[in-house]
Amino acid sequence: IAGITQAPTSQILAAGRRMTLRCTQDMRHNAMYWYRQDLGLGLRLIHYSNTAGTTGKGEVPDGYSVSRANTDDFPLTLASAVPSQTSVYFCASSDSGRGETDTQYFGPGTRLTVL
Amino acid sequence: GQNIDQPTEMTATEGAIVQINCTYQTSGFNGLFWYQQHAGEAPTFLSYNVLDGLEEKGRFSSFLSRSKGYSYLLLKELQMKDSASYLCAVSDSNYQLIWGAGTKLIIKP
Repeated sequence: IAGITQAPTSQILAAGRRMTLRCTQDMRHNAMYWYRQDLGLGLRLIHYSNTAGTTGKGEVPDGYSVSRANTDDFPLTLASAVPSQTSVYFCASSDSGRGETDTQYFGPGTRLTVL
Repeated sequence: GQNIDQPTEMTATEGAIVQINCTYQTSGFNGLFWYQQHAGEAPTFLSYNVLDGLEEKGRFSSFLSRSKGYSYLLLKELQMKDSASYLCAVSDSNYQLIWGAGTKLIIKP
């Protein structure tokens, strides 16, 4: 069982380019999340999905979009990358959806540099 | 606003005990998590507290006081592999996790 996988592991991207970060989980978890982690700051929630077919905005959603066509996949798209989106991106999942606290499990992360 | 405070960095000696504190101010409270994150890796779950008191799990213990908005993570018999960042996170009224910036723990021989 792989848990959560993310691709690519790292990427250098020119500003203005479109980029999709992939996230797949095999735990059949209902909820999935995208965070960014920057030095000196806590993890910040970008977007989340409580169940397949639904998505919601987190703390820092601007410049990012997500979709949740099925239970396993939760891709994050940067429509037109800017240097301030340079960060480490973590995908996470949890068994329960909205209305309950549950442990989140994280993928290995994608290190993105926008030049 | 919502706020989680942790010390930025701590240093301890192998074999010793260290306590990492976390104070929080959030809109609602539905539990507090501690995660461990080694450099360049993903955060991994350590503990969860929702009621006041101490939860012990091997060498690690976590304490919660909801009235004080305070938690600590206690690491005993420190090993070199415990060198990592320790992240405190609170589940708020919307069941979303609010994260502290993390405490980098350096273990010296």
